[in-house]
Amino acid sequence: DAKTTQPPSMDCAEGRAANLPCNHSTISGNEYVYWYRQIHSQGPQYIIHGLKNNETNEMASLIITEDRKSSTLILPHATLRDTAVYYCIVRATGQGGSEKLVFGKGTKLTVNP
Amino acid sequence: NAGVTQTPKFQVLKTGQSMTLQCAQDMNHEYMSWYRQDPGMGLRLIHYSVGAGITDQGEVPNGYNVSRSTTEDFPLRLLSAAPSQTSVYFCASKINPFSGAEAFFGQGTRLTVV
Repeated sequence: DAKTTQPPSMDCAEGRAANLPCNHSTISGNEYVYWYRQIHSQGPQYIIHGLKNNETNEMASLIITEDRKSSTLILPHATLRDTAVYYCIVRATGQGGSEKLVFGKGTKLTVNP
Repeated sequence: NAGVTQTPKFQVLKTGQSMTLQCAQDMNHEYMSWYRQDPGMGLRLIHYSVGAGITDQGEVPNGYNVSRSTTEDFPLRLLSAAPSQTSVYFCASKINPFSGAEAFFGQGTRLTVV
């Protein structure tokens, strides 16, 4: 199973872009990269996922390097409500080839006014 | 559409008691899973299920049992609660086990074992 490495914490000014890095150097060719976040003690919230190409949705953009060994989640205009723990997850393979999500400790992003 | 519903939200148990944490989803998702989260830690996978009648162990399965008799429900049973099981428990579901799709999480059950 591929492992991920994230910085434990980051700060960002409100209104600026937040760029959260993730290393996943042992990722396999068919493994997705997922990003989730957890605000306070709520249940995690899905943000975005990708395989090879860069992805964008209404919440964020995901940039995956060409060798797929790292990725960056970009929140284009961070707000105070984006303060949360952000988890980068690489699909792990379980029973019968099914995927399961294995969470690390994530990055605590603090958006400052 | 309620999504993923967990009950109860809070529970206090005495050591040695048993209980069942309930998880239900109304999205017809095949894949369901249970996680626990301890202070300052990420989520750790306890058990998961890829469909009715099929379950498998995650990272930290000891002390927990699961079953999946219906698509909608995935209860987590603590047979003999221990203080080490004090944690916040999250249930999650996704449409199927194989696609790169999002998982939906419940709001958690906060369990204290004294």
